[in-house]
Amino acid sequence: GENVEQHPSTLSVQEGDSAVIKCTYSDSASNYFPWYKQELGKGPQLIIDIRSNVGEKKDQRIAVTLNKTAKHFSLHITETQPEDSAVYFCAASNDYKLSFGAGTTVTVRA
Amino acid sequence: EAQVTQNPRYLITVTGKKLTVTCSQNMNHEYMSWYRQDPGLGLRQIYYSMNVEVTDKGDVPEGYKVSRKEKRNFPLILESPSPNQTSLYFCASSPGVTAFAYEQYFGPGTRLTVT
Repeated sequence: GENVEQHPSTLSVQEGDSAVIKCTYSDSASNYFPWYKQELGKGPQLIIDIRSNVGEKKDQRIAVTLNKTAKHFSLHITETQPEDSAVYFCAASNDYKLSFGAGTTVTVRA
Repeated sequence: EAQVTQNPRYLITVTGKKLTVTCSQNMNHEYMSWYRQDPGLGLRQIYYSMNVEVTDKGDVPEGYKVSRKEKRNFPLILESPSPNQTSLYFCASSPGVTAFAYEQYFGPGTRLTVT
């Protein structure tokens, strides 16, 4: 099955700086790569996703890049704000299953 | 309000006592799924359902059962819970019939403790 690895497990950044989270996947058939944000006491919520036919996607301060050859994808958050503090999960999907990374706890310091 | 609801939100039980965690969505979604979340392991898929009466195993199905008799409901059943099933459980739904290409909407979670 699919194996998704996510790094780093924790990330502390100064407010206004950028944050980068990286993931690798094992199944070359995976074709959908969502990123979820989980705030304390809540369920994960989709923040951005990318499909295998696209190399990069941006939504305001958030961007995701995908390198299918190397089987890795990354989340970039620019101009971080205190409300960006949360746990972020990457995931990979092929058809019916969705496999998640272990998560990255992001702390934005004021 | 469009949402996925789970009940109960918190549950403490003893080994071997059968329990059911309910999940319901009001968005007319085809796809529903159950995940468990454990520290350092992220979310792992337990079971998923592509439609009524159609279910299949995820990555960690052992010790769990599901049923999909109605489109809106997808209960998770633990016939004989064990301490290693202590975890945070999430139900999710999606408008598509696959996990691919459509956002999954997650419920608020059920924290289960088995002693």
